[in-house]
Amino acid sequence: DGGITQSPKYLFRKEGQNVTLSCEQNLNHDAMYWYRQDPGQGLRLIYYSQIVNDFQKGDIAEGYSVSREKKESFPLTVTSAQKNPTAFYLCASSIGLAGVSEQFFGPGTRLTVL
Amino acid sequence: DQQVKQNSPSLSVQEGRISILNCDYTNSMFDYFLWYKKYPAEGTTFLISISSIKDKNEDGRFTVFLNKSAKHLSLHIVPSQPGDSAVYFCAARGTYSGGSNYKLTFGKGTLLTVNP
Repeated sequence: DGGITQSPKYLFRKEGQNVTLSCEQNLNHDAMYWYRQDPGQGLRLIYYSQIVNDFQKGDIAEGYSVSREKKESFPLTVTSAQKNPTAFYLCASSIGLAGVSEQFFGPGTRLTVL
Repeated sequence: DQQVKQNSPSLSVQEGRISILNCDYTNSMFDYFLWYKKYPAEGTTFLISISSIKDKNEDGRFTVFLNKSAKHLSLHIVPSQPGDSAVYFCAARGTYSGGSNYKLTFGKGTLLTVNP
């Protein structure tokens, strides 16, 4: 079954620590995305990548970093600079970026800062 | 086969009047609908959403109506302001991978221009 996997499902972090969320897809999609979802809000775009070794900031990139060394993988690091990191994080992918009609989502990682 | 359709590529209204953006869908399994807006040269931001168990959701000047029997939703902006000029995307949430994951399917967007 093709799809997107995110790990871990739940993550706890102490304040001041960096943490990396994993996202892997085997759909052979070029474009990948990271979103954050807070209660009562829709998805907010953190970073996106159209192709390997390239990525762009989304609407709320401050305090986050990403890498795209492989087509299948797009890990997100939540740094200590992120003021309010507790949230539900969703990774997505699509065939291309331009004229996107469908984005496929992973199951998400719920990050809680203690 | 386009599952989410925004049949009007553009819409022009006068400031102070109502803007109505329409969206039709074909998949009855969609359970959640969202509207996003995109300003030129900027990212896409979330605007308002509605669950399939409701028929209306209001947030300030923005109201989304859902007619499940007609598979139709609409976004009303009242009163319209010049700053509302942007491309508006309708999106619908469905599941894949045996129902454990979901995906968003987007319409092609409607360019709204609000004239002063």
